[in-house]
Amino acid sequence: AQSVTQLGSHVSVSEGALVLLRCNYSSSVPPYLFWYVQYPNQGLQLLLKYTTGATLVKGINGFEAEFKKSETSFHLTKPSAHMSDAAEYFCAVSYFGNEKLTFGTGTRLTIIP
Amino acid sequence: ETGVTQTPRHLVMGMTNKKSLKCEQHLGHNAMYWYKQSAKKPLELMFVYSLEERVENNSVPSRFSPECPNSSHLFLHLHTLQPEDSALYLCASSQEKDLNTGELFFGEGSRLTVL
Repeated sequence: AQSVTQLGSHVSVSEGALVLLRCNYSSSVPPYLFWYVQYPNQGLQLLLKYTTGATLVKGINGFEAEFKKSETSFHLTKPSAHMSDAAEYFCAVSYFGNEKLTFGTGTRLTIIP
Repeated sequence: ETGVTQTPRHLVMGMTNKKSLKCEQHLGHNAMYWYKQSAKKPLELMFVYSLEERVENNSVPSRFSPECPNSSHLFLHLHTLQPEDSALYLCASSQEKDLNTGELFFGEGSRLTVL
């Protein structure tokens, strides 16, 4: 079985400040890990993913995430928040041979001017 | 049209109505998905079609009936729904080879309200 826990359903940061959105996973096999973003009134868009190889993954819009096996974490970061980053962010997990993505409950990011 | 298009964007229906949600993808993909998004719950996978064959039916009630006539179109037929079925229904597509790599392309969703 696999699961994802996103700590904090709401996160607020000031414009220009560091963004840190937390994701911990549970998987009995090597995981594939994903971050998706959902802007208001839109569908989900893939930000970045980890399958194998380098554990620091860079995505779109300046976001990156690091796979830490020892901590079973895949936290999403961005050095400097921009107003356009306001959205809901979803962490998801899968694994090789499984067509089912398991999503977290999401974290709503608010940017304070 | 580009990407994944869903119609209608908003739908209000009574519990005895029959309606359908439509999804069309213009990405040349051959796998399509229906997800249900409810407030404060994780996205729930409902159905997966790969190469026009259903490969996943995630214990969805029979009042939801999917149809995939070709690799570009996906429907969700709705019949005798309950108020708790009110949610945002998201369609997604991918290449069949990406079924387990998570690289899905989502539509904007159809907001369903059941009265």
